[in-house]
Amino acid sequence: LAKTTQPISMDSYEGQEVNITCSHNNIATNDYITWYQQFPSQGPRFIIQGYKTKVTNEVASLFIPADRKSSTLSLPRVSLSDTAVYYCLVGEVGGTGFQKLVFGTGTRLLVSP
Amino acid sequence: EAGVTQSPTHLIKTRGQQATLRCSPISGHTSVYWYQQALGLGLQFLLWYDEGEERNRGNFPPRFSGRQFPNYSSELNVNALELEDSALYLCASSLPRTSKADTQYFGPGTRLTVL
Repeated sequence: LAKTTQPISMDSYEGQEVNITCSHNNIATNDYITWYQQFPSQGPRFIIQGYKTKVTNEVASLFIPADRKSSTLSLPRVSLSDTAVYYCLVGEVGGTGFQKLVFGTGTRLLVSP
Repeated sequence: EAGVTQSPTHLIKTRGQQATLRCSPISGHTSVYWYQQALGLGLQFLLWYDEGEERNRGNFPPRFSGRQFPNYSSELNVNALELEDSALYLCASSLPRTSKADTQYFGPGTRLTVL
């Protein structure tokens, strides 16, 4: 699985847009990019997944440039409840490959009033 | 749709004892994964079960074992508990490997404390 690099922490205020960038220079052709959110003492929660260009759902947007060597998770108008650790993962989806997820240290987002 | 469930929520054991943790996957999911997350650390992959078979395991000693039942629920057993085994144990499930998107969905975890 491709190694990912994210900022260790970020600070924001309520109502602001937050963009968390993840670098994955060694991403393979079959790899997808997935983001998870984790609150203390809870399991990670799937946020969004994409392969290229832009993906948007009710929670977030994921921007992936043409070379796919990085991706940006965008959280619109964050609230205090968005304070959590955000993990970026890359890996092959489906097929017969081993499905282990490799979680890095993630980005700790702190949203203040 | 019910999510991944785990039991118990909390478990307190003493050194040398055995712990059994249980997981029920989302309906339709055949793969179950177990992860260990020690306090303040990232998730470490433990075991992967699919269609009742152990498909792969992480870098953990043999006293960490488990199984998957015909209904795809799973059990994680930890024998000869050590203090360092204290952690949040997370279970995740996903669709069959032939699916296009095999996103893993996590349960709330079992907090194991070894005294």
